[in-house]
Amino acid sequence: AQKVTQAQTEISVVEKEDVTLDCVYETRDTTYYLFWYKQPPSGELVFLIRRNSFDEQNEISGRYSWNFQKSTSSFNFTITASQVVDSAVYFCALSEAGGSSNTGKLIFGQGTTLQVKP
Amino acid sequence: NAGVTQTPKFRILKIGQSMTLQCTQDMNHNYMYWYRQDPGMGLKLIYYSVGAGITDKGEVPNGYNVSRSTTEDFPLRLELAAPSQTSVYFCASRRVSNTEAFFGQGTRLTVV
Repeated sequence: AQKVTQAQTEISVVEKEDVTLDCVYETRDTTYYLFWYKQPPSGELVFLIRRNSFDEQNEISGRYSWNFQKSTSSFNFTITASQVVDSAVYFCALSEAGGSSNTGKLIFGQGTTLQVKP
Repeated sequence: NAGVTQTPKFRILKIGQSMTLQCTQDMNHNYMYWYRQDPGMGLKLIYYSVGAGITDKGEVPNGYNVSRSTTEDFPLRLELAAPSQTSVYFCASRRVSNTEAFFGQGTRLTVV
């Protein structure tokens, strides 16, 4: 069955600290897709990144970086030199494909609330 | 581009009343979703659809119904509102399973 676990409920850091948000997933499919979304205090959901199961290359985008490890079923998200504007709820999500009976289903983790203090 | 539009934005219902949350998208996306988000909790999948005429249950479907008669619209029906359905509801759509989902602005529903 599909499952996404974000064990960190809340994280509080001081501005300029680095912070890593953990995401562990479960799937029986060999083809799947992982996503990260940001939900700022205003409430909308903002897409950050997509990764498919065949691409384990890490990705960096500005202060954001993602580490995908199939061996540990993890897709962790690191913010370098955090800023107050990074304060938000961050969600990891999983979608199966490749003929799975769950094709199309998009499951989210519980979310991690990040507070960056000035 | 309107994207995903949800109406209404806010609603207060009395216990036992019924209502339909509307969701429409103008991106010709095949997949559509309804989620609920309770305070401090994640997004729970209620129902989803992979195309017109096809719907399937998610993690928390009890108390809800959906239909998908067109590609654009995916309404969520609450038949007998209960306080446990107080939540923020998000509709989302995406083209296929390997693409990101686009979300509506959400509907804040309170059942009293």
